[in-house]
Amino acid sequence: GQNIDQPTEMTATEGAIVQINCTYQTSGFNGLFWYQQHAGEAPTFLSYNVLDGLEEKGRFSSFLSRSKGYSYLLLKELQMKDSASYLCAVLDSNYQLIWGAGTKLIIKP
Amino acid sequence: NAGVTQTPKFRVLKTGQSMTLLCAQDMNHEYMYWYRQDPGMGLRLIHYSVGEGTTAKGEVPDGYNVSRLKKQNFLLGLESAAPSQTSVYFCASSFPIGTGGETQYFGPGTRLLVL
Repeated sequence: GQNIDQPTEMTATEGAIVQINCTYQTSGFNGLFWYQQHAGEAPTFLSYNVLDGLEEKGRFSSFLSRSKGYSYLLLKELQMKDSASYLCAVLDSNYQLIWGAGTKLIIKP
Repeated sequence: NAGVTQTPKFRVLKTGQSMTLLCAQDMNHEYMYWYRQDPGMGLRLIHYSVGEGTTAKGEVPDGYNVSRLKKQNFLLGLESAAPSQTSVYFCASSFPIGTGGETQYFGPGTRLLVL
């Protein structure tokens, strides 16, 4: 079966750095997405990785290792507004998007 | 440019009642999707459409029907609602998969409670 694993919940301090991991086992791979979802709102796009390596976008970076079936989202200089769920999703060989259950990130002052 | 919109935002149904959820997008996307999101679970695909007049089943299609009569609209129907269909429903749209435009854009969601 297809599986995406992410931690259920993480806690971090305002101003710090946090890394949210995602491991996947899917039938094929055509890219990996990270989305942010604030409570009661829609998911919004953060990043898309299709090749190995690190992609940086301001305070957020996303890393991919296809050989290890592994990705992480790195958030720097955490702000209270970063409190949200972070969803990892993989495009499989049929171009179906397989979603993880999400990681709830709690930021403390 | 409204993006993806959904109506209604919230609805309470009694078991056995029917309803239609409407999704509209103004981004000229070919692909549209209906997901449900339940606590502790990832988004699950109900049905999707790769173009006007075409629909396909996703991971959890039972109890739902869809129609895509116009490119910009995608309707999700519940013919006979059941408590197990209590969920948050999200519509999304994208350009065709494999073209570099795979990013899905989501509507604000519809919260459905079936009693």
